[in-house]
Amino acid sequence: GAGVSQSPSNKVTEKGKDVELRCDPISGHTALYWYRQRLGQGLEFLIYFQGNSAPDKSGLPSDRFSAERTGESVSTLTIQRTQQEDSAVYLCASSIVTAPQETQYFGPGTRLLVL
Amino acid sequence: KQEVTQIPAALSVPEGENLVLNCSFTDSAIYNLQWFRQDPGKGLTSLLLIQSSQREQTSGRLNASLDKSSGRSTLYIAASQPGDSATYLCAVPNDYKLSFGAGTTVTVRA
Repeated sequence: GAGVSQSPSNKVTEKGKDVELRCDPISGHTALYWYRQRLGQGLEFLIYFQGNSAPDKSGLPSDRFSAERTGESVSTLTIQRTQQEDSAVYLCASSIVTAPQETQYFGPGTRLLVL
Repeated sequence: KQEVTQIPAALSVPEGENLVLNCSFTDSAIYNLQWFRQDPGKGLTSLLLIQSSQREQTSGRLNASLDKSSGRSTLYIAASQPGDSATYLCAVPNDYKLSFGAGTTVTVRA
């Protein structure tokens, strides 16, 4: 079946502009995660959604970052007033349920470059 | 806070040689440990997931071992091929979030 998809695959923007990144999880997966990968670094957790529960936003680096999820489907990560340090690969993942033993399936990522 | 470290950061070997990739973690109370492969321009592909009760897991030419007490895991890739060139990441769950190492970038020379 279809895996996790993300769009756009690449985004170049100017400092100060807002950007929206989209994630389509695997159908039937109730849990959705956003991670950020800066050049040469490991993935950092940003935010997590589980069904209709309140999202865990503890990894968001600043109030310029926000995310929404429509039910158990599409999620959008928004970065307002982008800064050069926001340049990174933003990866989305989904899993069937919320449990440490469940495998997270990752999308191809969105490569964001802020000039 | 769980810290995950991978050594070396990069590795270059001739085709046919065996690969040994290391991962260490600071908190031994883990549910499992997962190894991923990341190719340029693509997402992460799960290679192996070792449950905390297991000592090792095998898939084809890949073998991963886990020593919880010492906070270490090793990924072995036998008889490497140029197609094995990629970045390999290990990750452990921190509740439902994954904590990742920075990865080991492998180049297999033909």
